[in-house]
Amino acid sequence: QKEVEQNSGPLSVPEGAIASLNCTYSDRVSQSFFWYRQYSGKSPELIMSIYSNGDKEDGRFTAQLNKASQYVSLLIRDSQPSDSATYLCAVHNAGNMLTFGGGTRLMVKP
Amino acid sequence: DAGVIQSPRHEVTEMGQEVTLRCKPISGHDYLFWYRQTMMRGLELLIYFNNNVPIDDSGMPEDRFSAKMPNASFSTLKIQPSEPRDSAVYFCASSFRGTYTGELFFGEGSRLTVL
Repeated sequence: QKEVEQNSGPLSVPEGAIASLNCTYSDRVSQSFFWYRQYSGKSPELIMSIYSNGDKEDGRFTAQLNKASQYVSLLIRDSQPSDSATYLCAVHNAGNMLTFGGGTRLMVKP
Repeated sequence: DAGVIQSPRHEVTEMGQEVTLRCKPISGHDYLFWYRQTMMRGLELLIYFNNNVPIDDSGMPEDRFSAKMPNASFSTLKIQPSEPRDSAVYFCASSFRGTYTGELFFGEGSRLTVL
């Protein structure tokens, strides 16, 4: 059973819209959660981290965490074609390991 | 500053051959991770090192895979013998003080094709 689940997509949104990406995880003791962005043919890069319940905003990006529901989400406001990429949810587990979800491919159409 | 450096970027080999992937982490980072990415299984952790010592290799698929870190600036992942199902992109990543902050710095990856 995968520990971090994401809808593989593709999620298609028009330019300027809000893109909503979701992730669920199975390990209740997880304490830190991350979103990585991976452009096609490139390596993943960290874009957001969240450690406590609620929302965390950084520019056009908002990460949301609900530990009771074991749910993490990423909202991208005013989506741009340059946001088109695969977004990977990652969860910190015991033993200094990050477990990644399968990723959601986002397509922002002009 | 140089990031994580991996070589080769692309490797095409035949089944049964030995493959060696190399990684130079960012200077000063004390953790090094080897991940494998495929369409079917996503990004999987194979093994990680702390201060050159292997800590968890439970993700290594089988005995055909081995990894070493002889010093703080170099690591290898070896597959012997290689099989077509080993075809994937292999990423090396490094971090300072582990993964609690989530900030792993990835290399550009080594794309392996086993025919």
